[in-house]
Amino acid sequence: EPEVTQTPSHQVTQMGQEVILRCVPISNHLYFYWYRQILGQKVEFLVSFYNNEISEKSEIFDDQFSVERPDGSNFTLKIRSTKLEDSAMYFCASSDSRTGGYGYTFGSGTRLTVV
Amino acid sequence: QKEVEQDPGPLSVPEGAIVSLNCTYSNSAFQYFMWYRQYSRKGPELLMYTYSSGNKEDGRFTAQVDKSSKYISLFIRDSQPSDSATYLCAMRESGGSYIPTFGRGTSLIVHP
Repeated sequence: EPEVTQTPSHQVTQMGQEVILRCVPISNHLYFYWYRQILGQKVEFLVSFYNNEISEKSEIFDDQFSVERPDGSNFTLKIRSTKLEDSAMYFCASSDSRTGGYGYTFGSGTRLTVV
Repeated sequence: QKEVEQDPGPLSVPEGAIVSLNCTYSNSAFQYFMWYRQYSRKGPELLMYTYSSGNKEDGRFTAQVDKSSKYISLFIRDSQPSDSATYLCAMRESGGSYIPTFGRGTSLIVHP
């Protein structure tokens, strides 16, 4: 069964550093998403991406964050100048159409720890 | 008032029990309702989705939507230890944003 692959599984970074979280969506999917889940809290939407541009973003997704699809397979989330409160699980998801959640395939996540 | 409320649990039941998991919501425009299962250190995976009101059954799982009460439920029959996971409800409106709003999840433990 096709999977969404995320790397690394765990990243520890110092406060103020930049991190790049990587995702390989399912190959024939066209819509890509980043979500985060702070420990014990709900899954929160960050950004959706389609046709090489951001289609929607939340209030969380401010200038500290950026996304990119640098080639035909990878989808990355860059977090500049990380803060302690950025510590969370970051999930990438993809879908083959604009399904609004019921067609998502999520990756296993990257646990980001900012120290 | 939060948009989607879900008791975090944990809910602990014996194997074979019928489990009822619930969410309440405040946005009357929500029309699509989803249930995700999330195992520890894994991403959510879709279990079921329903549109508008009514019931939907898939094997041991039944999803129920009561829009008049703004209340949705997921029932699990003959629960198994392998059902132990966190169950997330999610919902969205029929127009406008296609991005669902998630609940915080209920942790379910099914013990042998």
